[in-house]
Amino acid sequence: QKEVEQNSGPLSVPEGAIASLNCTYSDRGSQSFFWYRQYSGKSPELIMSIYSNGDKEDGRFTAQLNKASQYVSLLIRDSQPSDSATYLCAGEGWTDKLIFGTGTRLQVFP
Amino acid sequence: DARVTQTPRHKVTEMGQEVTMRCQPILGHNTVFWYRQTMMQGLELLAYFRNRAPLDDSGMPKDRFSAEMPDATLATLKIQPSEPRDSAVYFCASGEIPDSLNTEAFFGQGTRLTVV
Repeated sequence: QKEVEQNSGPLSVPEGAIASLNCTYSDRGSQSFFWYRQYSGKSPELIMSIYSNGDKEDGRFTAQLNKASQYVSLLIRDSQPSDSATYLCAGEGWTDKLIFGTGTRLQVFP
Repeated sequence: DARVTQTPRHKVTEMGQEVTMRCQPILGHNTVFWYRQTMMQGLELLAYFRNRAPLDDSGMPKDRFSAEMPDATLATLKIQPSEPRDSAVYFCASGEIPDSLNTEAFFGQGTRLTVV
């Protein structure tokens, strides 16, 4: 079992809709979670971090963390074609080791 | 310009040759990660350093891979001898770990390695 798991997708949503990306993790010791966006041929770019249970909002992005259920999600409101990319979830445990999921490919169509 | 710099950006080499990849972390960052990315496996953590000391290199094939941080401004990843299965994009990322956790890691542009 991978430490961080994501559905590979692709997840296809129409422009203007809400895209919901999910991630589960197996290490209960994980303390911090991150969402990265990676465009094809580019390096991962940090877009959100979340450390406490609940929601964290930043512009069109909302990260949600539920430590009891061991899942993390990212909501993208008013999705734009420019949001089309692979979204990587990462978890960090007590050893500060940053482990990534395999990513979910998001396609936003006009 | 605060960014992680990796060199070379692209490398094509023959099987059996030595490959060295270099990374300059963001000034002031005390943690450096090396990842390998392939279509099949995604981003795999190979090794990471804190204050130049290796913390974990369990993701790295020890017989052919080695990672070092000779000083705070340079991290290296070496493969000797290289094999076709090593073909991948290798990313370096750096972060600053404060007293608490929460490593926000920033990635370099990557080195695309092709072993023929």
